[in-house]
Amino acid sequence: DAKTTQPPSMDCAEGRAANLPCNHSTISGNEYVYWYRQIHSQGPQYIIHGLKNNETNEMASLIITEDRKSSTLILPHATLRDTAVYYCIVPDSSYKLIFGSGTRLLVRP
Amino acid sequence: NAGVTQTPKFQVLKTGQSMTLQCAQDMNHEYMSWYRQDPGMGLRLIHYSVGAGITDQGEVPNGYNVSRSTTEDFPLRLLSAAPSQTSVYFCASSHLPPSGNTIYFGEGSWLTVV
Repeated sequence: DAKTTQPPSMDCAEGRAANLPCNHSTISGNEYVYWYRQIHSQGPQYIIHGLKNNETNEMASLIITEDRKSSTLILPHATLRDTAVYYCIVPDSSYKLIFGSGTRLLVRP
Repeated sequence: NAGVTQTPKFQVLKTGQSMTLQCAQDMNHEYMSWYRQDPGMGLRLIHYSVGAGITDQGEVPNGYNVSRSTTEDFPLRLLSAAPSQTSVYFCASSHLPPSGNTIYFGEGSWLTVV
C-alpha cells in the first residue's frame, strides 16, 4: 500500500500559491519525499524531492515538517498549465515505488 | 522524460495474443520499473529491476513477464493478452537507490486489447 496520504482534489486561483499537503507518517529516517505531477495521460513529470530540509527549485518549493511526517508542495504562482494530478511518493528500501491516488489540482482562471 | 524511450506508443491486440513493450534508457541507470495506469486511476507497479539479471514483482505482476539482460533494456511481455490489460504503461528508471536520485519516466505506451 502507498505510504502517503493526499487529499483527492484541490483548487486555487490563477496567480495564487497552490499548497498541496501530503502525510507520510511512517517515513523512515533515510527515505526521501518525492513529488511528481501528471498532466492528462502524459508520463509523470519530476517536480522536486527532499529528505529533511526545505527545498526549492524553479518549479516549486517543498516544505517538510521537523518530524518528517508530512510535507507541503508549494507552487508559488499557479498557472492554468499547472492543472494536473500531483503525486507525493516515498520510495522505500525495497525499491518499490508505490504511487497513491494523488491530488487533482484545478487552477481556476 | 529525458533518456527513457518506450515503444510502441500505441498498440491494439486481440485477446490471447502476446506482445512485448520495449523500454530503453541511456543513462546507465541500475533501477528500472514498469507501471500500468487505468483510466482515472493512479500508477500501479508491475515489475521492477535493480540491475541486469535481477527482477522482482510489484503490486500487479500477474499476466506479465520481464527480464533484464542488459542495463539499458527492460522489456515487458504480455503472455496472453486480456481485455483487463487495456491500459497505459509507463517505464521508469533511476540510479540506485531510487530514494535520493531523480526518477525518470517514459512517455507511455497505450495498449488496447479487444
